[in-house]
Amino acid sequence: KNEVEQSPQNLTAQEGEFITINCSYSVGISALHWLQQHPGGGIVSLFMLSSGKKKHGRLIATINIQEKHSSLHITASHPRDSAVYICAVRALRGAQKLVFGQGTRLTINP
Amino acid sequence: EPEVTQTPSHQVTQMGQEVILRCVPISNHLYFYWYRQILGQKVEFLVSFYNNEISEKSEIFDDQFSVERPDGSNFTLKIRSTKLEDSAMYFCASSERAGGGGNQPQHFGDGTRLSIL
Repeated sequence: KNEVEQSPQNLTAQEGEFITINCSYSVGISALHWLQQHPGGGIVSLFMLSSGKKKHGRLIATINIQEKHSSLHITASHPRDSAVYICAVRALRGAQKLVFGQGTRLTINP
Repeated sequence: EPEVTQTPSHQVTQMGQEVILRCVPISNHLYFYWYRQILGQKVEFLVSFYNNEISEKSEIFDDQFSVERPDGSNFTLKIRSTKLEDSAMYFCASSERAGGGGNQPQHFGDGTRLSIL
């Protein structure tokens, strides 16, 4: 069983729609990251959170530590939001490495 | 904004040859990481490096792999005798610090696509 599971694996939506990507994890964590990977392959860090909610522009990330679940929301989606969104966690007990989910491929059509 | 830079962006190498992937982390960062992503698969941790030594490594990081910080700016990943299955995108990352309650985000480079023929 993967330590980090994302859903859906693929998501296609129309421009303007509200998008939700989910991440569940099975281990205790010190932090959860949401990352964006563009077709060229580069990875950009969007959020790092360990509790509550963070917002940056049209992006919102939430985490429920008790439920071991996080969501990434995109409001007023745009074709330029098309990318792979990856959830990654850093385990407790001093571990430094990130453990990655398999990613969610998001396509926003105009 | 400071960024992690990786060179080359694409490396093509014959099987059995040695390859060195280079990274320049963000200048005030103390922790350095290598990850890889085989085409179509998720990103996997290889190794983390702090205070001039490996602090954590995965099962993937066997004797064929080594890391080095040869000077104050570069951080390299060497694969001694490449295999076909080493073909992947390799990402370098750095963070200010990690551990305890002081979580810091990891900043990623754009990756080096390694193709083994």
